[in-house]
Amino acid sequence: DTEVTQTPKHLVMGMTNKKSLKCEQHMGHRAMYWYKQKAKKPPELMFVYSYEKLSINESVPSRFSPECPNSSLLNLHLHALQPEDSALYLCASSQEGGGINEQFFGPGTRLTVL
Amino acid sequence: AQSVTQPDIHITVSEGASLELRCNYSYGATPYLFWYVQSPGQGLQLLLKYFSGDTLVQGIKGFEAEFKRSQSSFNLRKPSVHWSDAAEYFCAVGPGGGGYNKLIFGAGTRLAVHP
Repeated sequence: DTEVTQTPKHLVMGMTNKKSLKCEQHMGHRAMYWYKQKAKKPPELMFVYSYEKLSINESVPSRFSPECPNSSLLNLHLHALQPEDSALYLCASSQEGGGINEQFFGPGTRLTVL
Repeated sequence: AQSVTQPDIHITVSEGASLELRCNYSYGATPYLFWYVQSPGQGLQLLLKYFSGDTLVQGIKGFEAEFKRSQSSFNLRKPSVHWSDAAEYFCAVGPGGGGYNKLIFGAGTRLAVHP
């Protein structure tokens, strides 16, 4: 299984809502990533988890809260978002250890904040 | 400073024509180099990768890329483009040595294919 899955595919939420994005992989990867991608732009790294520990937080606002409950699962909890947070949210995973650790990306969640 | 430059924002080619997408990088150490493709509304798919060895690397979907250290370039090529190749292409660099991989992406090149 070389797939990263993300749910939901689309999400529309108001600024007062609380929602969560889910990402799952069964490739045995121990590094998982959240990216935000605006239209016609490259992905921007938000968070990196390595062995279920938060390793990188790219100064992301606290209204985004990541969680890595186990080695296969990565969540992104959303609360009090702003319309400018509307974007495609991509999850990725990669191996740890030596070698070329390319990232495998999921299809993304298209988020719209009203 | 570490950076990736894709000089061409948008390229249009005819189906069956050859393609070259340019990528230049600035990186302090020997980088890992990647090309990803993204179809509209989709995630990124890895086309090919390079770290060492033969400077001409073959990827999926008939793509290849050539690493030129002297020019700090990693250009992507395809001898004959198909309509299904229309997509956004991202060049990326990352650190070697294993571990998690903080990629630096270029701005992307949007490829349109005319029939």
